[in-house]
Amino acid sequence: QKEVEQNSGPLSVPEGAIASLNCTYSDRGSQSFFWYRQYSGKSPELIMSIYSNGDKEDGRFTAQLNKASQYVSLLIRDSQPSDSATYLCALYGGSQGNLIFGKGTKLSVKP
Amino acid sequence: EPEVTQTPSHQVTQMGQEVILRCVPISNHLYFYWYRQILGQKVEFLVSFYNNEISEKSEIFDDQFSVERPDGSNFTLKIRSTKLEDSAMYFCATNTNTGELFFGEGSRLTVL
Repeated sequence: QKEVEQNSGPLSVPEGAIASLNCTYSDRGSQSFFWYRQYSGKSPELIMSIYSNGDKEDGRFTAQLNKASQYVSLLIRDSQPSDSATYLCALYGGSQGNLIFGKGTKLSVKP
Repeated sequence: EPEVTQTPSHQVTQMGQEVILRCVPISNHLYFYWYRQILGQKVEFLVSFYNNEISEKSEIFDDQFSVERPDGSNFTLKIRSTKLEDSAMYFCATNTNTGELFFGEGSRLTVL
């Protein structure tokens, strides 16, 4: 059974700071990883996907993958109050499109 | 920007009643999915659908659930006899053959 673990938070950071969100997973064979953002009462929205070890940057977001440690992280630079949301880590559970989500980390960015 | 449309946004039903949730996928997308999220819990995969048949389903997707695409546009999730524990937000998602899932805004189901 594939599992995705996240600290539920809340993680509170001041505006302009770097927010660091972490995720671990159980299946060493997992290859594809995703970070979704979910505002309260809304649907998940894809932020980043990462498939290779190392860093992947997209604007203020950087995803980091370490397959040896079974660890994925998301860094948000220059955090804004609008970044306040729950961040979901996900990986493929079976076929493409079957995602296993973590429970999410709630991020609060204080002005 | 194209989007996945779901109806109804909120449905309240009595236990034991049948419920149909509807989804209009993005027009060129071929893969369709239903997920659910019980309040305060994880987003959970229910079923994937491609080429007019189920391609994968989870343990949650038991005989009470069914999916179909009756008219080539709507993609529906039917729950035959709702239980209290079916109360959740149900998300439809679609994609092409790439990794990104596009989620609809969800249908909140409340079973009394």
